[in-house]
Amino acid sequence: DARVTQTPRHKVTEMGQEVTMRCQPILGHNTVFWYRQTMMQGLELLAYFRNRAPLDDSGMPKDRFSAEMPDATLATLKIQPSEPRDSAVYFCASGLALGDSSYGYTFGSGTRLTVV
Amino acid sequence: GIQVEQSPPDLILQEGANSTLRCNFSDSVNNLQWFHQNPWGQLINLFYIPSGTKQNGRLSATTVATERYSLLYISSSQTTDSGVYFCAVSSRSTASKLTFGTGTRLQVTL
Repeated sequence: DARVTQTPRHKVTEMGQEVTMRCQPILGHNTVFWYRQTMMQGLELLAYFRNRAPLDDSGMPKDRFSAEMPDATLATLKIQPSEPRDSAVYFCASGLALGDSSYGYTFGSGTRLTVV
Repeated sequence: GIQVEQSPPDLILQEGANSTLRCNFSDSVNNLQWFHQNPWGQLINLFYIPSGTKQNGRLSATTVATERYSLLYISSSQTTDSGVYFCAVSSRSTASKLTFGTGTRLQVTL
């Protein structure tokens, strides 16, 4: 089965350090999402790309978070500087959307980030 | 944006029992998916079902798009069904951005 690959699976870092999370979407998918999951907020959308172009990053704290798709096989989410409140599980998802239609999204296994 | 409400928020079942989970949404959708988040945190896609009915083993789902709701049926529940079930939707008005409900937490006991 095709899968979305996220690395690293786990990351523990000290406050103030830079964190980079990576995602390899499924080949042929043109839509990529980044979500953050916490107990308090549930699943929050951080950023959303279509054909590598950012469509919506309104859910992302702009001062410290950035998301990019340098090519069709890689999406990155970067936090600089990291803070303890960034501790969460970060999920990447990919799917195919054409015009007004979308055809379902597949999620990666997530990156569990702990900032101490 | 589109609103997604799931009920019940929590459910405890004895193994072998059946259950129905509900998802209500506030706008026309072009995508509706049911996910199971297992105790290890993985989000497993159960159904892509913007309309109609689908079945996969002991699970089935029905979406009535005109009435803006979807139902997930679990029959003969097993302990491995435990976890959180999420409904997620997207619509043309939100450029296919996927919005999640708050989930139904299911615990299946022996």
